[in-house]
Amino acid sequence: GQQVMQIPQYQHVQEGEDFTTYCNSSTTLSNIQWYKQRPGGHPVFLIQLVKSGEVKKQKRLTFQFGEAKKNSSLHITATQTTDVGTYFCTYSGAGSYQLTFGKGTKLSVIP
Amino acid sequence: ETGVTQTPRHLVMGMTNKKSLKCEQHLGHNAMYWYKQSAKKPLELMFVYSLEERVENNSVPSRFSPECPNSSHLFLHLHTLQPEDSALYLCASSQDLRGRGDTDTQYFGPGTRLTVL
Repeated sequence: GQQVMQIPQYQHVQEGEDFTTYCNSSTTLSNIQWYKQRPGGHPVFLIQLVKSGEVKKQKRLTFQFGEAKKNSSLHITATQTTDVGTYFCTYSGAGSYQLTFGKGTKLSVIP
Repeated sequence: ETGVTQTPRHLVMGMTNKKSLKCEQHLGHNAMYWYKQSAKKPLELMFVYSLEERVENNSVPSRFSPECPNSSHLFLHLHTLQPEDSALYLCASSQDLRGRGDTDTQYFGPGTRLTVL
């Protein structure tokens, strides 16, 4: 079956450093979505990527979808304490509406 | 964000109790979802409703019983739960179920933190 791995599981960075989390799939994905969950909060939608090689930016966040649509990354430039939380990649199989969530990457930012 | 609300926010119940979780969405969406988030597992989809009809039931034990009286409200009825059912229960909604290359964004409520004693 389709498997998506998200790495790393945990990341501690000094404020101002960059951060990247990766989602890798064994099979081609029809799309990928990224969500952020703050400590004690609920998942909040960040972005959806659909096209091969797609790159989208939101201020300090850069999202990429691989050419083969098997991997994706989220890069944060110059992290701030407000970036703390768990970042999830999610995907749905072709013809399916069901989102499957990975384990997420928990980001800690040291002031 | 007040698009999706959930009550109660916290619930403590014994294994013999019966309780209900409530979710309401104010976004005019047609699809609603129940998820379970426990400390040691990824977010798990439990139930999916589209236009008040259940379209997905991911092998959830019968002690969890969903109800969707209309497209704005979703309930999760709980009875004779086990301690391992303690978790954060999240409700979400999306405009529609598409099942094509793009997937409708899901908007989550704040969740109900459930503790089963």
